[in-house]
Amino acid sequence: AQSVAQPEDQVNVAEGNPLTVKCTYSVSGNPYLFWYVQYPNRGLQFLLKYITGDNLVKGSYGFEAEFNKSQTSFHLKKPSALVSDSALYFCAVRDLYSSASKIIFGSGTRLSIRP
Amino acid sequence: DAGVIQSPRHEVTEMGQEVTLRCKPISGHDYLFWYRQTMMRGLELLIYFNNNVPIDDSGMPEDRFSAKMPNASFSTLKIQPSEPRDSAVYFCASSLGDTPNTEAFFGQGTRLTVV
Repeated sequence: AQSVAQPEDQVNVAEGNPLTVKCTYSVSGNPYLFWYVQYPNRGLQFLLKYITGDNLVKGSYGFEAEFNKSQTSFHLKKPSALVSDSALYFCAVRDLYSSASKIIFGSGTRLSIRP
Repeated sequence: DAGVIQSPRHEVTEMGQEVTLRCKPISGHDYLFWYRQTMMRGLELLIYFNNNVPIDDSGMPEDRFSAKMPNASFSTLKIQPSEPRDSAVYFCASSLGDTPNTEAFFGQGTRLTVV
């Protein structure tokens, strides 16, 4: 069965420093991976996705993610964190081969950026 | 397009009462998903539809929960009778097509409190 894991419940970073939010996945076929962000009292917003091709994917708000097939990881990164990046981040996978079109989300990582 | 629209935004009800949550997907989207978010369980997929037909309802917790999609622009999630443990934020999301590279778009959620 497909799954994603976010090993860190919380990540704390100082403003201006680089940030990484970790995600690993398990799928039976080709992985289609996504990152979403949730601000307080809001729905999830799409950040970026990996389908195929370049392992480094660029998305909204200066975020990027690196796909690593050998490590089955899709970590979210940003070179310089902003206080406004503080939010809940979800990694998700969609695997056409195990259960068509089903999107599965990780448990979420709360990112806190201190001034 | 106004995005995925959910109503109500907040619902407080007494245990034993029937609760109906509503969702209007983005026009033209053919997939609709219902998720539940709690602190303990994170984001859970309850059920999803394709072209108004329920495809996978394995995430529906029990028979008290039911979902319908009478047409392409409207879906409901009903809980009857409601219980305090149903308290959560319920999200509706929609996406276009059956290709795994399509992201889901989320509504702002309905915060349900059962007292």
